[in-house]
Amino acid sequence: QVQLVQSGAELKTPGASVKVSCKASGYSFTGYAFHWVRQAPGQRLEWMGWINAASGNTQYSQNFQGRVTITRDTSANTAYLELSSLTSEDTAVYYCVRNPFGTGWFDYWGQGTLVTVSS
Amino acid sequence: DIQLTQSPSFLSASVGDRVTITCRASQGISNYLAWYQQRPGKAPKLLIYNASTLQSGVPSRFSGSGSGTEFTLTISRLQPEDFATYYCQQLNNYPLTFGPGTKVDIK
Repeated sequence: QVQLVQSGAELKTPGASVKVSCKASGYSFTGYAFHWVRQAPGQRLEWMGWINAASGNTQYSQNFQGRVTITRDTSANTAYLELSSLTSEDTAVYYCVRNPFGTGWFDYWGQGTLVTVSS
Repeated sequence: DIQLTQSPSFLSASVGDRVTITCRASQGISNYLAWYQQRPGKAPKLLIYNASTLQSGVPSRFSGSGSGTEFTLTISRLQPEDFATYYCQQLNNYPLTFGPGTKVDIK
């Protein structure tokens, strides 16, 4: 069965960077795209960007331009999200999601990774 | 960016009730809309895409309709496991955006 398993919770200080991983199993890794979506406490879901798992091409939300990098390792069936220059406003649960090519919906979600930014 | 609003933001209902949630887009998005269910402490789950197509494995009591700027999610007979927060998402343009959510609580 399709599974997306994310790395564990992170505690970071302001100004630091965080890298979250998402290991996929149960399907052909390069047959889909990966997106990252975050949810701050009590807030709506926020789309951050995506990567074509086959080509490695990426697109990011302007809200995170310059701070976010999405990569993938096809040999490890894993996608990564790196977010730099963290502030307390980046405290959120970060989700990786699978996206069928040519669509905008997310059919499988990782379990979420809580990133807490605090001094 | 396309803005999405949902109404109501909160509703209280009983098991067996029919429930309707509305999502409105700030500009026309054809039928490029999805609905997700999120239970507390869990990741969202895809219910419906392209406004009215039921995702595989989702019970038929869930249905979606609409096009352009106004969409609805209907739960025909509310079950105990349906008490959750529901989000709409537009699939038309980047950046992809979500509605603020509708929390369905037990009356």
